[in-house]
Amino acid sequence: EVQLVESGGGLVTPGRSLRLSCAASGFKFDEFAMHWVRQAPGKGLEWVSSISWNSGRIDYADSVKGRFTISRDNAKRSLYLQMDSLRLDDTAFYYCAKVHLPGGSGSYLLPFDAWGQGILVAVSS
Amino acid sequence: DIQMTQSPSSLSASVGERVTITCRASQSVNSFLSWYQQKPGIAPKLLIYEASNLQSGVPSRFSGSGSGTDFTLTITGLQPEDFATFYCQQNYIAPLTFGGGTKVEIK
Repeated sequence: EVQLVESGGGLVTPGRSLRLSCAASGFKFDEFAMHWVRQAPGKGLEWVSSISWNSGRIDYADSVKGRFTISRDNAKRSLYLQMDSLRLDDTAFYYCAKVHLPGGSGSYLLPFDAWGQGILVAVSS
Repeated sequence: DIQMTQSPSSLSASVGERVTITCRASQSVNSFLSWYQQKPGIAPKLLIYEASNLQSGVPSRFSGSGSGTDFTLTITGLQPEDFATFYCQQNYIAPLTFGGGTKVEIK
């Protein structure tokens, strides 16, 4: 069974940093591109960042570019999101998600067939 | 960036009704369009990919159609467990973008 479990969320003040982790199991993690998606409370879904299976391609939403860094450790079957210079509008539930097919660059933008349970990042003064 | 516009933003329907939700892209996304269902407090679930392909395990009452810029999600025979919010997503080019969502409520 595919499982994605996020950790590392919490309450922080503006300008501080937080690192999210996503532990993967039940599939060949090193064959799949992975994504972070967030959802502010009561709002819609916002794609945050993507990383290919070998970290060779990475993309960010403009809203987080220069502040967030996505990375992965295939040996540890883990995905990360380093969030620096956090702002009030970064407050959201953050989900990690896997694409629905393995592969190279062609699979990078595929739909997400498995999601974590989500973790809350609250930025407040 | 490609903008995704869903309509309506909400609707009320009865069990057994046929429901149609539309999604329009600001430029062509070919057939690289997905639909997700999200219930309160739960992560989204993939329903449809590449505009019309049913994800494994999803009931056949869900169907998708369209290409280019205009897409439709149809639920034929709404069931009690289908009341949720539905999102479209373009998978054509980064940044990936979602529609604003359509909340389907019980009439």
